[in-house]
Amino acid sequence: GAVVSQHPSRVICKSGTSVKIECRSLDFQATTMFWYRQFPKQSLMLMATSNEGSKATYEQGVEKDKFLINHASLTLSTLTVTSAHPEDSSFYICSARAPGLAGGTAQYFGPGTRLTVT
Amino acid sequence: GNSVTQMEGPVTLSEEAFLTINCTYTATGYPSLFWYVQYPGEGLQLLLKATKADDKGSNKGFEATYRKETTSFHLEKGSVQVSDSAVYFCALVLQGGSEKLVFGKGTKLTVNP
Repeated sequence: GAVVSQHPSRVICKSGTSVKIECRSLDFQATTMFWYRQFPKQSLMLMATSNEGSKATYEQGVEKDKFLINHASLTLSTLTVTSAHPEDSSFYICSARAPGLAGGTAQYFGPGTRLTVT
Repeated sequence: GNSVTQMEGPVTLSEEAFLTINCTYTATGYPSLFWYVQYPGEGLQLLLKATKADDKGSNKGFEATYRKETTSFHLEKGSVQVSDSAVYFCALVLQGGSEKLVFGKGTKLTVNP
């Protein structure tokens, strides 16, 4: 149980275009999902917290107009990188909190999406 | 603030060696503690957790004990295997707080046959 999927796993796009990444909880309902960015050989940086049916909460320094987050259902959150530039190239990871599992405090992570902007 | 400090890697061991990866934390409240593992090319997987002082989390031969007096959650395994090669992240989340995971920087472990 507690499986989280992401799609696509890899995407290459041209500078100036937008890319949408999907995060799904496959066997549980997630009222809260999180989006992270991971730079090479570094830890995960939380970008935003996504709550179903409400606006996402962004971390300081993260542009909400550039990284659009939608959490339209209890099993799906999307991250859209708008007008992507090469510096947006990174590994994007989502996680979902699973109430009732691991004391309700554990987050389960998707496999990540490798974005390359050319 | 809340933070997690892990021993810097990389760590290289021979198969069947004993592993310790140190992790200490600072927290403004009462945290739950986690170890996550990231195998090459994959996302993070929850390895083990502990939610209160003196709890021991264990999984796949790995163990970590929540030590409130030393604010530590060191990861140990008695006999590592080549398949344990991965990056290990220590993390905390404040109970009753914002649910934000705070990660350490990760420790890369390589186990040689």
